Amino acid sequence: EVHLVESGGGLVQPGGSLRLSCAASGFNFNTYEMNWVRQAPGKGLEWLSYISGAGLSIYYADSVKGRFTISRDNAKNSVYLQMNSLRADDTAVYYCARTAPDWFAPWGQGTLVTVSS
Amino acid sequence: DIQMTQSPSSVSASVGDRVTLTCRASQDISNRLAWYQQKPGKAPELLIYAASSLQSGVPSRFSGSGSGTDFTLTISGLQPEDFATYYCQQANSFPLTFGGGTKVEIK
Repeated sequence: EVHLVESGGGLVQPGGSLRLSCAASGFNFNTYEMNWVRQAPGKGLEWLSYISGAGLSIYYADSVKGRFTISRDNAKNSVYLQMNSLRADDTAVYYCARTAPDWFAPWGQGTLVTVSS
Repeated sequence: DIQMTQSPSSVSASVGDRVTLTCRASQDISNRLAWYQQKPGKAPELLIYAASSLQSGVPSRFSGSGSGTDFTLTISGLQPEDFATYYCQQANSFPLTFGGGTKVEIK
């Protein structure tokens, strides 16, 4: 069964950093593109970043470009999101999602990031 | 960037009703559109991809149509488990974008 599990969320002060991880299982990880999507409390979905299977192609939303970095370790079947210079409006549930082939399926259960002093 | 606009933002319906949700893209995206269902406290789940293809395991009462800029998601015979929020998403170009969502509520 295809499974994605995020971790690394928590409470962080404004200006701080956090690294999210997403562990994948049940599929040939290095052949799939991966994404991060977030959802602020009570709000809609916002796509953040994409990484190709080999990690050679990467895209970001303008809202996180220059602050967030996506990466992957195919040997560990994991994708990461390094988040720097965090702001209050980065508070959200962060999901990783597989691109299969152009759509998000499946999604992980999400990890909550709260940016507050 | 491609803007995705969903309407209505919410709809009240009864079990057994036929419900149609609309999604409009700010430019032609061909059939590069997906629909997701999200229940409170849960991750979204893919329902429809390529505008009209039903994801494996999704009940046949869900159907999608449209191409270009105008798309619809229809639920034929609303079931209690269908009360949720539905999002459309374009996969035509980066940045990938979602509509604002339509909440289907119990009348």
